[in-house]
Amino acid sequence: QVQLQESGPGLVKPSQTLSLTCTVSGGSINSGSYYWSWIRQPAGGGLEWIGRFYLSGSTNYNPSLKSRVTISVDTSKNQLSLKLSSVTAADTAVYYCARVIAAAAWGDYFDYWGQGTLVTVSS
Amino acid sequence: SYELTQPPSVSVSPGQTVSITCSGDEVGNKYVSWHQQKPGQSPVLVIYQDTKRPSGIPERFSGSNSGNIATLTISGTQAIDEADYYCQTWDSSTVIFGGGTRVAVL
Repeated sequence: QVQLQESGPGLVKPSQTLSLTCTVSGGSINSGSYYWSWIRQPAGGGLEWIGRFYLSGSTNYNPSLKSRVTISVDTSKNQLSLKLSSVTAADTAVYYCARVIAAAAWGDYFDYWGQGTLVTVSS
Repeated sequence: SYELTQPPSVSVSPGQTVSITCSGDEVGNKYVSWHQQKPGQSPVLVIYQDTKRPSGIPERFSGSNSGNIATLTISGTQAIDEADYYCQTWDSSTVIFGGGTRVAVL
């Protein structure tokens, strides 16, 4: 059974960089069949996709966050990471990592989600 | 940019059928997934590739997608189905989520 666990500071000061890690257990982070994404959700709000670390090692980001986001994978630790720079209060949210099954014709789908971690941006 | 629009809320009586719509420009030409999220929990995939149910998802959940509307239908709704439901698709290598629909079982 695949499990994803997000971790990182729960409180980040404005203008600083938010850094989170997602540890994958029960399977390898390195596969030709799936890849990884970060999603966030503000309190009482909807889901917002942040970006993905794709099969080839390439990345795609939400255009609204692209200038501030970096997603990477450490295969030696079986971990996915997220860095979001120059944070403001608007970045306060629960952050989720998720596994995405790769399929043909853009039929990719999320099959496992982490439990999420709350990050508050405040001085 | 591409958008998916969902009604903010719907209500249903136990045992009845409820349909949640997700509208988008020619969404029928894209694959749509649906995610269920209960309060305080992570989302759970209930439908993928328009109509497929992951293992462990009850048969009362079904999906369709045509034209400008994708639909999630819950037949014989139970109290445990009360949750927020999000539709989701892909556009230009990015993920698009609908705003979510709260299903109240009254």
